[in-house]
Amino acid sequence: GAGVSQTPSNKVTEKGKYVELRCDPISGHTALYWYRQSLGQGPEFLIYFQGTGAADDSGLPNDRFFAVRPEGSVSTLKIQRTERGDSAVYLCASSPLAGRNTGELFFGEGSRLTVL
Amino acid sequence: DQQVKQNSPSLSVQEGRISILNCDYTNSMFDYFLWYKKYPAEGPTFLISISSIKDKNEDGRFTVFLNKSAKHLSLHIVPSQPGDSAVYFCAASADGNKLVFGAGTILRVKS
Repeated sequence: GAGVSQTPSNKVTEKGKYVELRCDPISGHTALYWYRQSLGQGPEFLIYFQGTGAADDSGLPNDRFFAVRPEGSVSTLKIQRTERGDSAVYLCASSPLAGRNTGELFFGEGSRLTVL
Repeated sequence: DQQVKQNSPSLSVQEGRISILNCDYTNSMFDYFLWYKKYPAEGPTFLISISSIKDKNEDGRFTVFLNKSAKHLSLHIVPSQPGDSAVYFCAASADGNKLVFGAGTILRVKS
């Protein structure tokens, strides 16, 4: 497809388990973003990649969260020792522009994570 | 510390009338503002944006107004259509990359 693809669309896990969420951005987009949206809230910034490197990871809530983008395309968000408070929709977005952009991001449909 | 606030959780408007969605911000370093629209089970989609050097930007039925002194922006939709029913998020950026979003306003356009 032509848009941002996220898998899985839904993930239910137990407290303490490890989770990986995958994002396949629009082909050719150099910038990739992860956001988290909790119920009744707007998306909250987690991390931003420019190519393979994390340009800004200031939004990651703690060291249980980690993200990689080894080849500058697909990205994986990894959450260790999941907690119930991690339950949210995790949104991935990409942007075609390098460096400072106009802020227009192309979002995927999100991965809904539920931690029981 | 909410830097971007959308104080109206919901808004209901009659088809054909004007919809006005409001947004306030606190960070004076924000220099780019955007509105996103979100349908259920879909990701947000970009609607319209405005740079801090402007006070108005128009795109078809959608107009965004920026009042920097009041740290306030608004989105006007004229005329409103039933297909406009969605959640609207206001977002702001200070560095051109990290967007700070408001909590959203649910717009319902009644036919």
